[in-house]
Amino acid sequence: AQKVTQAQTEISVVEKEDVTLDCVYETRDTTYYLFWYKQPPSGELVFLIRRNSFDEQNEISGRYSWNFQKSTSSFNFTITASQVVDSAVYFCALPENAGNMLTFGGGTRLMVKP
Amino acid sequence: DVKVTQSSRYLVKRTGEKVFLECVQDMDHENMFWYRQDPGLGLRLIYFSYDVKMKEKGDIPEGYSVSREKKERFSLILESASTNQTSMYLCASSSGLAGISGANVLTFGAGSRLTVL
Repeated sequence: AQKVTQAQTEISVVEKEDVTLDCVYETRDTTYYLFWYKQPPSGELVFLIRRNSFDEQNEISGRYSWNFQKSTSSFNFTITASQVVDSAVYFCALPENAGNMLTFGGGTRLMVKP
Repeated sequence: DVKVTQSSRYLVKRTGEKVFLECVQDMDHENMFWYRQDPGLGLRLIYFSYDVKMKEKGDIPEGYSVSREKKERFSLILESASTNQTSMYLCASSSGLAGISGANVLTFGAGSRLTVL
């Protein structure tokens, strides 16, 4: 079975600091995808990124970047120059059942203080 | 935009009551899911459905049942609510089988926070 571990349960930073959220996974699949979702206080999970294991290049989208390292089974998420609006719970997830459903990590609550 | 709507944001029920949580999606998605969210445990899958009248158990189906009579609607039923079912319940949907696309993106509703007294 797939397993996703987010060791950081809660992180608190001051606005404009950089912050990295860790994600470590276990899978028997040779090719797979990884996801990150954001859950703001409103409750609705919002899709951030889906990444294929074939592609280990870092992904950057504005202040967000993702570092995928297959050798260490990690898919870490960095927010540069954090803002109060980044405060949320962030989930890393790994598909199973041929990609039709997701296994989620425990989530990391990020609090960005002004 | 894909919209997943959960009928109740907050519910308070008593032990032993029957509870219905309703979820409706408006984008003709084949797949629908019910997850339960608890602090530190992340999201755990209760049940999912690939088609009308079709259901499969997830990781924690005990104490729950589901119903999918129409493609757009997926209901979660607690036959006899217990205090350990106090939680946040999240409904999600996705389109078709993942197949060659590799993995489906799930779209979530805003959640239903259930308190069982």
